Amino acid sequence: GAVVSQHPSWVICKSGTSVKIECRSLDFQATTMFWYRQFPKQSLMLMATSNEGSKATYEQGVEKDKFLINHASLTLSTLTVTSAHPEDSSFYICSAAAGQSVNQPQHFGDGTRLSIL
Amino acid sequence: EDQVTQSPEALRLQEGESSSLNCSYTVSGLRGLFWYRQDPGKGPEFLFTLYSAGEEKEKERLKATLTKKESFLHITAPKPEDSATYLCAVQARGGSQGNLIFGKGTKLSVKP
Repeated sequence: GAVVSQHPSWVICKSGTSVKIECRSLDFQATTMFWYRQFPKQSLMLMATSNEGSKATYEQGVEKDKFLINHASLTLSTLTVTSAHPEDSSFYICSAAAGQSVNQPQHFGDGTRLSIL
Repeated sequence: EDQVTQSPEALRLQEGESSSLNCSYTVSGLRGLFWYRQDPGKGPEFLFTLYSAGEEKEKERLKATLTKKESFLHITAPKPEDSATYLCAVQARGGSQGNLIFGKGTKLSVKP
């Protein structure tokens, strides 16, 4: 149980392109989804939190116009990196939880490795 | 500032050689401490949640313990398939709900 699917797993694209990443909870309803970014040998860093049907909450320093998040249903959230540049290259991971209580652990997708040329 | 520090950064063990991984945390108020396992190129896989000092949880060869300042992940008689990066994260009372603060992880290698 608690399977989270993330797609695509790997993207290479040219600078200036917009890239959409999907995150789906396959066997549970995710009231809350989270988007993280991970650089090599660094911690997972939370970018934003999204609740179904409402606007995402972005962490300090994360540009909401750059990283567009949509959480249209209880099983799907998308992250769109707009006008991507080489400095946006990273490993992006989503997680989903059935709620925000500490009793509802986050379950993670397998990540998307984004490379901007 | 809420902070999580894991040590060692990397650990090499022989199969069957038990050891412990450390997670030290500084947090304004602890809602929960989480252990995850992450394989290369994959997302973290949930292992345990610990809520209060003195609590222990076990799963196969893994046992997690919690004090007011740190958590240990004990690995008993590890096997090569236990090789992975183990991540510790805390959820603080003062932070955004659901916000996990992660350590950098301990990369465990178990040689046959």
